Amino acid sequence: QSALTQPRSVSGSPGQSVTISCTGTGSDVGGYDYVSWYQHHPDKAPKLIIYDVSKRPSGVPDRFSGSKSGNTASLTISGLQADDEADYYCCSYAGTYTWVFGGGTKLTVL
Amino acid sequence: QVQLVQSGTEVKKPGASLKVSCKTSGYIFISNYIHWVRQAPGQGLEWLGMINPVGETTSNAQKFQGRLTMTRDTSKSTVYMELRGLTSEDTAMYYCARDQRSSGILDNWGQGALVTVSS
Repeated sequence: QSALTQPRSVSGSPGQSVTISCTGTGSDVGGYDYVSWYQHHPDKAPKLIIYDVSKRPSGVPDRFSGSKSGNTASLTISGLQADDEADYYCCSYAGTYTWVFGGGTKLTVL
Repeated sequence: QVQLVQSGTEVKKPGASLKVSCKTSGYIFISNYIHWVRQAPGQGLEWLGMINPVGETTSNAQKFQGRLTMTRDTSKSTVYMELRGLTSEDTAMYYCARDQRSSGILDNWGQGALVTVSS
């Protein structure tokens, strides 16, 4: 079970959009529509922002959106705000009741 | 409201065992899987395993096979994660998280338990 591949860092200015990719294999990301994304601010617990590839929990702004193509899932954040600066992690079901996280992406709002 | 409250900070010697508790409230305990996730210093999130409170069935990441045990006490709505044979690489913040629908939707998290392994 290797970690899913995410870019180490991305950045954008307030109001801009950024996209974070999450690449796995046909045994995880590509094999199931069970990809979730988490926002993690330092010294806080992670927060669910996307589940089932593209669904948003109640209370999560529609500036956050998710998609998937083949073995790669993506998280797009539009209208960047200062508070979006955090680490972002994807997570995918990997079969046989196991899950795997991505390595994480640090988002910097310039 | 749903709450997961974990046990506190621990310092362990190499070779020792660790047991972290996660007390749940605000929902029907047996209705949702509980996952365990950790974050080592400067590293990303790592999935350790999950427990289905019904029947106490578990699954864990291959790297923890034989070293990780997850149990539950339904009378206390609490799950436990025990990790044996600790090394410095097990120094991390350990989180429990509720799975909304048994498909890895971790919608509520504990506050984390900081574990340091040091001689």
